[in-house]
Amino acid sequence: DTAVSQTPKYLVTQMGNDKSIKCEQNLGHDTMYWYKQDSKKFLKIMFSYNNKELIINETVPNRFSPKSPDKAHLNLHINSLELGDSAVYFCASSQDRAGYEQYFGPGTRLTVT
Amino acid sequence: TQLLEQSPQFLSIQEGENLTVYCNSSSVFSSLQWYRQEPGEGPVLLVTVVTGGEVKKLKRLTFQFGDARKDSSLHITAAQPGDTGLYLCAGFYSSASKIIFGSGTRLSIRP
Repeated sequence: DTAVSQTPKYLVTQMGNDKSIKCEQNLGHDTMYWYKQDSKKFLKIMFSYNNKELIINETVPNRFSPKSPDKAHLNLHINSLELGDSAVYFCASSQDRAGYEQYFGPGTRLTVT
Repeated sequence: TQLLEQSPQFLSIQEGENLTVYCNSSSVFSSLQWYRQEPGEGPVLLVTVVTGGEVKKLKRLTFQFGDARKDSSLHITAAQPGDTGLYLCAGFYSSASKIIFGSGTRLSIRP
């Protein structure tokens, strides 16, 4: 069974569109994260939720809105997509907010044309 | 701005050689983690170090946390092609529940 899963794996869309990426973890973890990895492979945290509560909200355009319907799911919705949003987005989870042993999903490669 | 700098950025060596990758910051971390990422996949945790001066071994990989908890190193003995990948360090600040990742070291081991 996949521990942290993301859908879709690939997403190609045009500028101005709105899209969502879904993430689910079956590890029973309390904390989930969204990261963005750019073309230079730099991995930057965007958001973190602990038991459905937002605990990390880095400087990210408000076009990005995370939603956690329950502690096993953390979705990312992006409005008015821009070329600069093209990147690989990773979801991750950890047992608690201490952040030890983060388990990453396979990533969603978003391409905005 | 809190930064975690890794060096070298790229490293290509022959199978059987030894190597060391460094992760440096001016900030003190509660803990530091090392991950390895292969193309098309997410990072996979290798180790977490918590105590200043701590040394952990994972087969041919040796990880050390600096005494002041500002830096770390990863040493690989007798590198093998299977060690090829992107190595990332990540520092955690428990007071702020904040994590930052290093700039990454891309390692290539030639057979």
